[in-house]
Amino acid sequence: GQNIDQPTEMTATEGAIVQINCTYQTSGFNGLFWYQQHAGEAPTFLSYNVLDGLEEKGRFSSFLSRSKGYSYLHLKELQMKDSASYLCAVTDSNYQLIWGAGTKLIIKP
Amino acid sequence: KAGVTQTPRYLIKTRGQQVTLSCSPISGHRSVSWYQQTPGQGLQFLFEYFSETQRNKGNFPGRFSGRQFSNSRSEMNVSTLELGDSALYLCASSLIGTHQETQYFGPGTRLLVL
Repeated sequence: GQNIDQPTEMTATEGAIVQINCTYQTSGFNGLFWYQQHAGEAPTFLSYNVLDGLEEKGRFSSFLSRSKGYSYLHLKELQMKDSASYLCAVTDSNYQLIWGAGTKLIIKP
Repeated sequence: KAGVTQTPRYLIKTRGQQVTLSCSPISGHRSVSWYQQTPGQGLQFLFEYFSETQRNKGNFPGRFSGRQFSNSRSEMNVSTLELGDSALYLCASSLIGTHQETQYFGPGTRLLVL
């Protein structure tokens, strides 16, 4: 079967750094997405990785290792508004998006 | 540019009833995907429409169906509702639905089945 694993919940402190991991076992791989979803709102796009390595976008960066079936989302200089769920999704060999259950990130002052 | 809109935002139905949800994609977007989101389960893919044709389908029973109109607006129908159908239903649009494209999500329709 196809599976994407993420921690259910993480807590971090304002101003600090957090890393959210995502491991996947899918039939094929054609890219990995990270989305952010605030409570009661729609998911919004954060990043896309298809090649191994790091993609940086301001305070957010995402890393991919295809050989290990592993990605992480790295957030630095955390702000209270970063409190949200972070969803990892992988495009499989049939070009279908397989979604993880999401990681709820709680930021404390 | 207006975002993806979904109506209604909230819905309460009873078991056995049927429901129709509507999604209007971003102007110019021709691909519309539907997802079911429940706590702890993540997003489950229902189906994807492109140019009025269902192009992909997830593992949901035949009670879940959809269609797309010539203006790219899409509807999703669930017949014979069950308690387990209570969920947030999200639609997402993209230009042509290639696997690298960002999907733009609507705010969702929260369905409660009693």
